[in-house]
Amino acid sequence: GDSVTQMEGPVTLSEEAFLTINCTYTATGYPSLFWYVQYPGEGLQLLLKATKADDKGSNKGFEATYRKETTSFHLEKGSVQVSDSAVYFCALKTSNTGKLIFGQGTTLQVKP
Amino acid sequence: NAGVMQNPRHLVRRRGQEARLRCSPMKGHSHVYWYRQLPEEGLKFMVYLQKENIIDESGMPKERFSAEFPKEGPSILRIQQVVRGDSAAYFCASCAAERADTQYFGPGTRLTVL
Repeated sequence: GDSVTQMEGPVTLSEEAFLTINCTYTATGYPSLFWYVQYPGEGLQLLLKATKADDKGSNKGFEATYRKETTSFHLEKGSVQVSDSAVYFCALKTSNTGKLIFGQGTTLQVKP
Repeated sequence: NAGVMQNPRHLVRRRGQEARLRCSPMKGHSHVYWYRQLPEEGLKFMVYLQKENIIDESGMPKERFSAEFPKEGPSILRIQQVVRGDSAAYFCASCAAERADTQYFGPGTRLTVL
């Protein structure tokens, strides 16, 4: 069945460091891909999305490119801030009922 | 704020009691999804509802769990005879149309079973 695999965390970086969180997926058909962020004690917020191959989603300095050939959707940011500390979830949406399938989440901790 | 509302935010139940979780979708949204987040895990899909209809319940445990989304009022996720393994965060998300790309999540209900 469809699935999403993320790199394991926690990821600990210093402020202004470069961030990559790897995400690969397995899916039939052509899913849409998403990154959600969860701050402590809160629900999930959509960070960015891409709906077809080679699309690049971007928001708040974060970027991810839908790579069909490698079935990947890696999240990147050039310079992280302490306020970026959160749990990041990669997800895909199937074409049938629209349910989201999530990876296990990657905790990012940014130190000043 | 017209975001997705969930209540209660925290719920404590003893084993064998019932838990009732409510979700009010964003204004204008008629599609609701429920997800469960077990400790240290990602979110798992449970059920997808439209007004008065269950569309996909493939992620719901076969026993003790039920969901509804009546014509009027919030969506309800009901867990009967709770057990410790039901302790988790339960999130609902809403969207405007069946194939809409963006689901908007509520803050979640954190259920603790003693």
